[in-house]
Amino acid sequence: DQQVKQNSPSLSVQEGRISILNCDYTNSMFDYFLWYKKYPAEGPTFLISISSIKDKNEDGRFTVFLNKSAKHLSLHIVPSQPGDSAVYFCAASARTGTYKYIFGTGTRLKVLA
Amino acid sequence: NAGVTQTPKFQVLKTGQSMTLQCAQDMNHEYMSWYRQDPGMGLRLIHYSVGAGITDQGEVPNGYNVSRSTTEDFPLRLLSAAPSQTSVYFCASSIHPDREGDTQYFGPGTRLTVL
Repeated sequence: DQQVKQNSPSLSVQEGRISILNCDYTNSMFDYFLWYKKYPAEGPTFLISISSIKDKNEDGRFTVFLNKSAKHLSLHIVPSQPGDSAVYFCAASARTGTYKYIFGTGTRLKVLA
Repeated sequence: NAGVTQTPKFQVLKTGQSMTLQCAQDMNHEYMSWYRQDPGMGLRLIHYSVGAGITDQGEVPNGYNVSRSTTEDFPLRLLSAAPSQTSVYFCASSIHPDREGDTQYFGPGTRLTVL
């Protein structure tokens, strides 16, 4: 049973435009969410996070939005750059006791020059 | 500061062989974890540890053992390798999941093939 889902395996966006990556979760106990970026043959690297007490967190070109009622989060990248081409994973955890970070299946973003 | 290191980078095993994937971190992190990455499956949690002497199962623990005798090291053992364990394995560490703003640092991965 996949608790964290990324339903779009891939996404192509023109350079300079907005990239929107989506993530859905089923466990209502999740209260902390993260996005990681992964290049080929490397480990994932942290991008941005959001706590369930917020509905938006921004860091430069990256913004994460959280809709708790819909159990949905999204990552917006504006403007998209060719160097953003990578696989993006969302992750979730319930900070009260289980100590597990659960990851989604990933979305491969390709930014076209 | 080397961060999270993993050895070996690549390994080929025959079915039934055993091996240990090594993971070490030099950031004094309490939390360490192992994931496997398979096509279409994302990153799946195998085992994790919240400190020396404490380990617990993740989403896909069968066929794997772990131990945490020191803060720095978190080896993953395959006792009898199976072709289904062919995957890329990532080790990660963080301060602790109940800390505000906790984030995991990942190692470069070990690509394992079981024939």
